Amino acid sequence: AQKITQTQPGMFVQEKEAVTLDCTYDTSDPSYGLFWYKQPSSGEMIFLIYQGSYDQQNATEGRYSLNFQKARKSANLVISASQLGDSAMYFCAMREGYMIKAAGNKLTFGGGTRVLVKP
Amino acid sequence: SAVISQKPSRDICQRGTSLTIQCQVDSQVTMMFWYRQQPGQSLTLIATANQGSEATYESGFVIDKFPISRPNLTFSTLTVSNMSPEDSSIYLCSVFAGQNTIYFGEGSWLTVV
Repeated sequence: AQKITQTQPGMFVQEKEAVTLDCTYDTSDPSYGLFWYKQPSSGEMIFLIYQGSYDQQNATEGRYSLNFQKARKSANLVISASQLGDSAMYFCAMREGYMIKAAGNKLTFGGGTRVLVKP
Repeated sequence: SAVISQKPSRDICQRGTSLTIQCQVDSQVTMMFWYRQQPGQSLTLIATANQGSEATYESGFVIDKFPISRPNLTFSTLTVSNMSPEDSSIYLCSVFAGQNTIYFGEGSWLTVV
């Protein structure tokens, strides 16, 4: 079974509008974390936001927020006020276990969502 | 945060040859990881490289094909051996930088012809 599922292979969004990128996950480990990364055409992976399984509040970082619904095992990324520079591939990833151990820092990635921002 | 530099950023290689990719971090880190991203695909973990111990490889990846060195807490190398066109990928190293963050280098684009 897929551990991380991103059901939207690609989407268009109008500049200045908000966009939600879906991510569902599957794990039986009580300690886990969810990451979102942005990958522009240059290939680098840019860290956007992190949500831990024990975090009580949804994570926010500037224009990025994470809609964490633990019971539904979803961790959707919301980008507010989209900009042309937001056009990129976006990956959801999960780590399982405690981060003090090497195994707890291995990431499993979803298939990604390509976002194109229209002017 | 951590600044991670990879070399080379891009290379075109002949099949049957080997290429070594370097990953340099601006701070000491215990854990370093190597990922592969084949064209149009997501990232897949190759191995975990901890200083002072042998690298731990994921299923489907073997040391003879992807030997890894980790001589100190700021540096690691990944060698892609006896390359074939199927090895054409982006290779990325990543580190756990504390504070629930895992950072990646800029990636090394490898094309095998």
